Amino acid sequence: DTAVSQTPKYLVTQMGNDKSIKCEQNLGHDTMYWYKQDSKKFLKIMFSYNNKELIINETVPNRFSPKSPDKAHLNLHINSLELGDSAVYFCASSQGTRGAGYTFGSGTRLTVV
Amino acid sequence: AQRVTQPEKLLSVFKGAPVELKCNYSYSGSPELFWYVQYSRQRLQLLLRHISRESIKGFTADLNKGETSFHLKKPFAQEEDSAMYYCALRVGNTDKLIFGTGTRLQVFP
Repeated sequence: DTAVSQTPKYLVTQMGNDKSIKCEQNLGHDTMYWYKQDSKKFLKIMFSYNNKELIINETVPNRFSPKSPDKAHLNLHINSLELGDSAVYFCASSQGTRGAGYTFGSGTRLTVV
Repeated sequence: AQRVTQPEKLLSVFKGAPVELKCNYSYSGSPELFWYVQYSRQRLQLLLRHISRESIKGFTADLNKGETSFHLKKPFAQEEDSAMYYCALRVGNTDKLIFGTGTRLQVFP
């Protein structure tokens, strides 16, 4: 029973296209996140939502738009994809309490050609 | 500024050797630190949190506020420990995790 699930696992698309990545958690956590892992394995937070409310937006281009229809879901839509968007995108969730770590999804490997 | 530094990109050891993966942080508040592990092509998994002072898979990490460090240690490395290890700092008021750049641990037989 997967705690944080992302779809799709792999996404290959052409420059200029629009694509979405979906994330769902069944842990009852209040907070969800999107992280980007680049080719050098560097992890950087992009967005965070708490109970459907955006609380972190880290200097991410406007082409990236997160959407949280409810606290169990956080989707990421990307417009006008660029080569530099190629990366692994990880969704995560946490309870937000002291000492609580994040639970990560298995990642979506996005390749823009 | 809030920052996590992992100075080593790659650490290679032989099986049975001791391992220490370094992590230093910069944070003006009360730090909350974690170690995450990512095995090849898998998701990140929480390994340790400083608040619980636990030992997982033989790994331990002690928060040293004087040296602003949270180094990860294991006395005898195993081949299955080969993975990417990330140190992370939780920024309390936003619940944001700031990750270090990661250290790849390679354990040779």
